[in-house]
Amino acid sequence: EAQVTQNPRYLITVTGKKLTVTCSQNMNHEYMSWYRQDPGLGLRQIYYSMNVEVTDKGDVPEGYKVSRKEKRNFPLILESPSPNQTSLYFCASSPQGVRAPEAFFGQGTRLTVV
Amino acid sequence: AQSVSQHNHHVILSEAASLELGCNYSYGGTVNLFWYVQYPGQHLQLLLKYFSGDPLVKGIKGFEAEFIKSKFSFNLRKPSVQWSDTAEYFCAVTPSGGYQKVTFGTGTKLQVIP
Repeated sequence: EAQVTQNPRYLITVTGKKLTVTCSQNMNHEYMSWYRQDPGLGLRQIYYSMNVEVTDKGDVPEGYKVSRKEKRNFPLILESPSPNQTSLYFCASSPQGVRAPEAFFGQGTRLTVV
Repeated sequence: AQSVSQHNHHVILSEAASLELGCNYSYGGTVNLFWYVQYPGQHLQLLLKYFSGDPLVKGIKGFEAEFIKSKFSFNLRKPSVQWSDTAEYFCAVTPSGGYQKVTFGTGTKLQVIP
């Protein structure tokens, strides 16, 4: 089954404790992105990647890191989480060579930083 | 840079009522336009998309949207809503031409009352 898989689905952590949210897609998509969803603000892009070893900042990259060492994986790293990073996070992938490529989203990771 | 406005934040309708959700975008060039739906507790899924040609686009579950270039609008419509359409709806825009940065609107929560 074609899908984007995020782990964990739920995470509660303390301020300053490094964490990684994993994202993996099995559709051989070139493009991958991370978004955070907050009430009243919609989805805001954190980072995106056009291909392996190619990443770029989105609208709200502060406090986050990403890496794209393999095509299928795009982990999101919070080196020192803070309470304002409490949010619902979505990973998405999109294909290349398609007109108006749609985004395929993972199930989301609800992160709480206390 | 592009931007998207969804002016209706929360819409309440009775079953069988007609639906129209507004979406306006700002960008100086040609665009791809999308509507995504997020059912409670789930990830975003594509409803429909426009990239060229017929400005009236039909999507899944009886939804359609009309691209009016002169108004920079891409409103979502459904003639008769069902309780199962209760969800949050997001409009998104991206410049045309390969993969480009996607910008989402803030979303419209639709509540359908049986």
